[in-house]
Amino acid sequence: QVHLEESGPGLVKTSETLSLTCTVSGGSFTDFFWTWVRQSAGKGLEWMGRVYSNGIANYNPSLTSRVTMSIDTSRNQFSLNLNSLTAADTAVYYCARVGKSGPYHVSLDHWGQGRLVIVSS
Amino acid sequence: DIVMTQSPLSLPVTPGEPASISCRSSQSLLHHNGNTYLTWYLQKPGQSPQLLIYLAFTRASGVPDRFSGSGSGTDFTLKISRVEAEDVGLYFCMQALQTPWTFGQGTKVELK
Repeated sequence: QVHLEESGPGLVKTSETLSLTCTVSGGSFTDFFWTWVRQSAGKGLEWMGRVYSNGIANYNPSLTSRVTMSIDTSRNQFSLNLNSLTAADTAVYYCARVGKSGPYHVSLDHWGQGRLVIVSS
Repeated sequence: DIVMTQSPLSLPVTPGEPASISCRSSQSLLHHNGNTYLTWYLQKPGQSPQLLIYLAFTRASGVPDRFSGSGSGTDFTLKISRVEAEDVGLYFCMQALQTPWTFGQGTKVELK
């Protein structure tokens, strides 16, 4: 059974950088996209971007200037960095696996439990 | 970005009765490969979202057959044939046709 778990700070200061890591256990790590989704009261669920097992990433255009995702296949981990934080970045951050149907990437089939991050001065 | 619009936003349900949620996309979710890239999720209270339906009508592994997805193009429906108490929570649709993937606002299903 695939299991994902987010780790990182729960409180960060305005203008600083958030760094979260997702550790994956069970199942294959390679040949998948891995993604970050956040959930806030004001904006609902927001897809932040995804990173492939070869390290290639693409991001939500609304966050491109502030977000970086990376992957470490030797540790079965992928990471999110989000800089220039404001209160609007306060949210629950989820990591998730992009599920496949044949060769197609079609869903988010496994999710972590989520990490609440509060941004405050 | 593709805009996803759900209705209703709140749905009181009676156990044993059917329930239905609508999702509309601002453009067709039909891919040239013939698949329709619409997914449904349920977020139970205090939990992370869980996948229910992908490619518009395919149930994910372990999902009870009382859940079904239908629709095409821009109009989609999630149906629960007979609601059970464990089905309460927030239901989301999401398009996976083009990045950025986008979600509906969510429909809160609660018992009457």
